[in-house]
Amino acid sequence: TQLLEQSPQFLSIQEGENLTVYCNSSSVFSSLQWYRQEPGEGPVLLVTVVTGGEVKKLKRLTFQFGDARKDSSLHITAAQPGDTGLYLCAGPPSNTGKLIFGQGTTLQVKP
Amino acid sequence: DAGVTQSPTHLIKTRGQQVTLRCSPISGHKSVSWYQQVLGQGPQFIFQYYEKEERGRGNFPDRFSARQFPNYSSELNVNALLLGDSALYLCASSRVASNQPQHFGDGTRLSIL
Repeated sequence: TQLLEQSPQFLSIQEGENLTVYCNSSSVFSSLQWYRQEPGEGPVLLVTVVTGGEVKKLKRLTFQFGDARKDSSLHITAAQPGDTGLYLCAGPPSNTGKLIFGQGTTLQVKP
Repeated sequence: DAGVTQSPTHLIKTRGQQVTLRCSPISGHKSVSWYQQVLGQGPQFIFQYYEKEERGRGNFPDRFSARQFPNYSSELNVNALLLGDSALYLCASSRVASNQPQHFGDGTRLSIL
């Protein structure tokens, strides 16, 4: 069974601080996706990483896919209150359409 | 273009009842997947349908069933509701069945009393 472990589960920081969220697995994934979910809403796709070692940037967010395609990280620079939410990593086992999700990281950014 | 729409947004049921949740995918998307998200956890896969056929099933009991209609909309049915079925039920659509980014609706919040 392929599992995704996220850490930390909770993070409360001040505006302007940097943070990193990790997503780890013992299995290889063909790709990993990162979502952000706000209360009362569904997850919204932020990025998909496909190639081992790939780095993608989305404004102040930097996503990295591990060389072995077993892990990924999300780094936020100078966090803002608008970054508050639940961050989820997810990946498709084999070539299926379903997604396995990590348990999520709840981020709170205080002004 | 409209996103994935789900109805109802909230639902309260009692133990033993049955419930039907509905989902309309993004126009042009032929695959619909259902997920259950318990408070404080990531979503768990329940079903995937593509071109009206079941393409995947998660580790859920037979009380859970689903179907997809010719217009690609979908329904999730849950029978004999238990307290543990209380969760946010999410629907996601994609153009094809595999390796495609999924677009999620805002879910149906189901509460079992």
